[in-house]
Amino acid sequence: EVQLLESGGGLVQPGGSLRLSCAASGFTFNSYAMSWVRQTPGRGLEWVSTITGSSDTTYYANSVKGRFTISRDNSKNTLHLQMNSLTVEDTAVYYCAKEYAPVTTYYFDQWGQGTLVSVSS
Amino acid sequence: SYVLTQPPSVSVAPGKTARITCGGDNLGIKSVHWYQQKAGQAPVLVVYEDSHRPSGIPERFSGSNSDNTATLTISRVEAGDEADYHCQVWDASSDHVYVFGPGTNLVVL
Repeated sequence: EVQLLESGGGLVQPGGSLRLSCAASGFTFNSYAMSWVRQTPGRGLEWVSTITGSSDTTYYANSVKGRFTISRDNSKNTLHLQMNSLTVEDTAVYYCAKEYAPVTTYYFDQWGQGTLVSVSS
Repeated sequence: SYVLTQPPSVSVAPGKTARITCGGDNLGIKSVHWYQQKAGQAPVLVVYEDSHRPSGIPERFSGSNSDNTATLTISRVEAGDEADYHCQVWDASSDHVYVFGPGTNLVVL
């Protein structure tokens, strides 16, 4: 059974930093790209970042580019998201998601339960 | 950037059929995926690549996509189907960007 377990969320002041982690199990972790997707209270889902299985390529939404860094440790089956220069607009539940990529499209076939990040003074 | 639209809310009586739409420019040439999100829970994939169901998803869930609209159809709606439903595409014209619709709240009367 695939399990994705996020941790590291919490309350942080504007301008602060936070590091999220996602522990994965139940599948061959290094064979799949992994992503972070966030959801603001009462709003829709927003893709944040993706990293390939071998970490050779990373992708970021324009809203977080230059402030967030995605990384992974395949020896520990763990995904990370380093978030710097946080603003109130970054307040959201952050989900770790496993990417599935058939030939011409991409989607998320497994999601974690999410971790809440609150940015407030 | 590519934009998807969804109605904020759809209401349906138990046992009836619910249809949730997702609109986008030339959406029919893209693959659309649907997620169900119950209150306080993480999203769950219910339809992928327009019309395919993952293992464990009831046959009552089906999907279609043509022209500018994709539709998630839920037959014989049950109270347990009440949730938010999000459509999603992968925007090949941008740098590996996932686009989500704003979500539709399905209310079972």
